[in-house]
Amino acid sequence: NAGVMQNPRHLVRRRGQEARLRCSPMKGHSHVYWYRQLPEEGLKFMVYLQKENIIDESGMPKERFSAEFPKEGPSILRIQQVVRGDSAAYFCASSPPGVRTSYNEQFFGPGTRLTVL
Amino acid sequence: GQQVMQIPQYQHVQEGEDFTTYCNSSTTLSNIQWYKQRPGGHPVFLIQLVKSGEVKKQKRLTFQFGEAKKNSSLHITATQTTDVGTYFCAGDATSGTYKYIFGTGTRLKVLA
Repeated sequence: NAGVMQNPRHLVRRRGQEARLRCSPMKGHSHVYWYRQLPEEGLKFMVYLQKENIIDESGMPKERFSAEFPKEGPSILRIQQVVRGDSAAYFCASSPPGVRTSYNEQFFGPGTRLTVL
Repeated sequence: GQQVMQIPQYQHVQEGEDFTTYCNSSTTLSNIQWYKQRPGGHPVFLIQLVKSGEVKKQKRLTFQFGEAKKNSSLHITATQTTDVGTYFCAGDATSGTYKYIFGTGTRLKVLA
């Protein structure tokens, strides 16, 4: 059973370009979380999605950031018109469905390191 | 909003010494998880604590959840160089949300 997959692993963008980060959850997992980690800092929650639904996006910046988890295919985190401050590691995590979802561990992907020049 | 703080931020120990990191939440938690992140790696789940006062052990690691469910600790006995990394706690508020707030992390270095 493959783990959580993220691609690309490293992404370089110039200011003003768009960044698209992909996350394929573990097989059977229907919950996806995105986190941002700045160098030497902790993980900051961004968004929680289930298939075709955004459940909580309270950690997402109001502008330029969006996320989706379509019925088919990976979850996508999109950052439009990137700025230098967007440079960070973006981690995706997934967890299986369940009545008490909050009691399930999150399986993290290897992350995408975004560098904005 | 809910905040989760960890102390210390950094810890250097000699191999064989013990290590403890403390996690404190501004709100009562329904459960707490601990993760380890190796340098350049991704967080890996270690354990989840649910009950007030719960203590769990994994070999040299001892995890404790406070009676008030607002704090937790991770203690490593006789550290080894393989213990190097950053240890994060992650708290789920009593509202039963699915959203975990990660602590600030404690970065452990073990000197051989």
